[in-house]
Amino acid sequence: AQSVTQLGSHVSVSEGALVLLRCNYSSSVPPYLFWYVQYPNQGLQLLLKYTSAATLVKGINGFEAEFKKSETSFHLTKPSAHMSDAAEYFCAVSEENNDMRFGAGTRLTVKP
Amino acid sequence: NAGVMQNPRHLVRRRGQEARLRCSPMKGHSHVYWYRQLPEEGLKFMVYLQKENIIDESGMPKERFSAEFPKEGPSILRIQQVVRGDSAAYFCASSRLNTEAFFGQGTRLTVV
Repeated sequence: AQSVTQLGSHVSVSEGALVLLRCNYSSSVPPYLFWYVQYPNQGLQLLLKYTSAATLVKGINGFEAEFKKSETSFHLTKPSAHMSDAAEYFCAVSEENNDMRFGAGTRLTVKP
Repeated sequence: NAGVMQNPRHLVRRRGQEARLRCSPMKGHSHVYWYRQLPEEGLKFMVYLQKENIIDESGMPKERFSAEFPKEGPSILRIQQVVRGDSAAYFCASSRLNTEAFFGQGTRLTVV
C-alpha cells in the first residue's frame, strides 16, 4: 500500500527565509500527491496537488512542490516565509483506487 | 455548493457512553474518509468508504469502532463504550474518484 514519510515533525524558519518541508512517498504505481495545510482548530485545506501533469506544481499562498520520481519525493517550498504561514502541513499520496494516506505532519513555526 | 459538513463540532461523552459522529460529503462525492488526530500528532487513517461499502478499514480499531456510509444520508462514525483514550479530533473528508479530498472542520470528542 502507498505511504508517505515527512522528515522533520517541526521546522522553524525566520520571516523572509526559505521554507522547505520534506515529503517522500512509497507507491507501486504512479501516484497522485497532495499537500494540505491545517491552521489551529480547523480542518485541512488543499495547498496543491500533482496528478501526472507538470512535475513542478504551484499552489496557493506562494507555495510550490516538485515531483521527483527518481527520488520518490514531493518537497514543499516557499521562497519567503510569512508569519501567516505558521501551521501544520501534511503530505498525502493516493493511488488509482483513491485510497489516500497522509504523513504525520510538519509543524512550521515562523520567527519574526 | 456546501463543503463537507461534520456535526457536532464538539462532543462530550462520559466513559462508557456511545459517540456518533456525522459527516455529510460534498455534493457529488461518493468517497468518504475518516481520520483521527490526537493532540500533537498527525492524521491517522481510520476507514475509507464508498456508498454502502467499506473499502478499507485497516486503520480502525477492531473493537468498539464502526463506520457506515448508507445510500441515503451522512456517513456515521460510531464509537461504543468510549474511553478517555478516544478523546481526539475526528476529521472526515470526501472526494470524487481520483481527485483531491475536501475536509470538514472536524468533531472534537472529549471523554470525561
